[in-house]
Amino acid sequence: EAQVTQNPRYLITVTGKKLTVTCSQNMNHEYMSWYRQDPGLGLRQIYYSMNVEVTDKGDVPEGYKVSRKEKRNFPLILESPSPNQTSLYFCASSLFGARETQYFGPGTRLLVL
Amino acid sequence: AQSVTQPDIHITVSEGASLELRCNYSYGATPYLFWYVQSPGQGLQLLLKYFSGDTLVQGIKGFEAEFKRSQSSFNLRKPSVHWSDAAEYFCAFQDSGAGSYQLTFGKGTKLSVIP
Repeated sequence: EAQVTQNPRYLITVTGKKLTVTCSQNMNHEYMSWYRQDPGLGLRQIYYSMNVEVTDKGDVPEGYKVSRKEKRNFPLILESPSPNQTSLYFCASSLFGARETQYFGPGTRLLVL
Repeated sequence: AQSVTQPDIHITVSEGASLELRCNYSYGATPYLFWYVQSPGQGLQLLLKYFSGDTLVQGIKGFEAEFKRSQSSFNLRKPSVHWSDAAEYFCAFQDSGAGSYQLTFGKGTKLSVIP
């Protein structure tokens, strides 16, 4: 089944404790992206990747890192999480770019205490 | 600055009634425009998209949207709403310029359906 998977689905952590949210797609898509969703703010793009080893900042990249070492995986790294990063995070992928249909993962709900 | 606006935060309609969700954009040229739907507890799913050509776009689940350049709008419509359409709807925008890879979402409109 074609899908985007994210792990973990739920995470509670404390301020400053490094964490990684994994994202994997099995559709051989070139483009992958991370979004955060907050009430009243909609989805905001954190980072995106056009291809392996090619990444760029979205609208809200501060406090996040990404890497794209292989096509199928696009982990999101929070080196030192803070409470304002408490949010619902979505990974998405598409064939070539943002103008293609984005396929979204199920989301990761993060709480930073 | 380029942006997309959804003026309505929450809309309630009766089942069987028609629906129109508003989306306005701010951009100098014709952008790429999308409507996504998010059912409760789910990720987002693409309903339809507009790049160029016919300004009336048909999508999945009986939805359509009309691009109006003069009004900088891309409103989503459905002639008869079903209870299963209750969800949050997001309009999204992408710069049509070369080398653009960013997708910008509106803040969403939550749709409630009264049986």
